[in-house]
Amino acid sequence: AQRVTQPEKLLSVFKGAPVELKCNYSYSGSPELFWYVQYSRQRLQLLLRHISRESIKGFTADLNKGETSFHLKKPFAQEEDSAMYYCALSIGRGSDKLIFGTGTRLQVFP
Amino acid sequence: DGGITQSPKYLFRKEGQNVTLSCEQNLNHDAMYWYRQDPGQGLRLIYYSQIVNDFQKGDIAEGYSVSREKKESFPLTVTSAQKNPTAFYLCASRRGPRAPANYGYTFGSGTRLTVV
Repeated sequence: AQRVTQPEKLLSVFKGAPVELKCNYSYSGSPELFWYVQYSRQRLQLLLRHISRESIKGFTADLNKGETSFHLKKPFAQEEDSAMYYCALSIGRGSDKLIFGTGTRLQVFP
Repeated sequence: DGGITQSPKYLFRKEGQNVTLSCEQNLNHDAMYWYRQDPGQGLRLIYYSQIVNDFQKGDIAEGYSVSREKKESFPLTVTSAQKNPTAFYLCASRRGPRAPANYGYTFGSGTRLTVV
C-alpha cells in the first residue's frame, strides 16, 4: 500500500542549527514527491517538488530511491521557518492523488 | 485572497444533521479534492474529482458525499452517517491529469466543523 511516513511529530532546534525533517515513502511505482508547509494562520502551500531539484527558502530535498526517502534539509534554521511541514506522495494515473504524511512541526528558537 | 474559497470558516452542527461545506475556485483547474485534517493524522483524502460530473472516493469517504456539477464548485456534504465529523476540512485544486505531474495543489483556507 502507498504510504508516507514522517516519524517526528515535533522537531525543535535553535536558530542557526541544521535541520532535517525525515520522510519515507512506500510506493511500487515511480514516485512524485513534494514538501508542503503550513505557517501559522496561513494556507497549506507547496514548498518543494523533487522533480524540480530546487532550493526554496534555503531548503532542499533529495529523493533517495534506494532508501525510499525524501528528507527535507536546511543548513541554518531561521525563526521564520517555524511551521508544520508535510511530505506528500503523488500517485495514480495522471498523478491524480496526493497522499500526505502526518506532518512534522518545526520549532526554531531564537 | 483569490484562488480557492471555502465557506464558512467555522460551522457547528447538531448530531444527526447533514451539513454542506462549500468550495469554489476561479483558477480554471480541472481537478478538485477534499481532505480532512486531524491532529496527529495529517491530511486524509475524502473525495476527489478530475472532471465535471465525475468523482472518486478517497481513503475515508464513508459518511460523506460530493457533487461536481460545475468546474468551479465541489461541495462536500457531511452526513449523519459520519461517526466522527468534528475536524478541519481542506479543499484543494490542481490543473488536472494532463498537467505536468509535478504541478502542486492549491489549497483553501479550510472549514472547521464542530458537532455539538
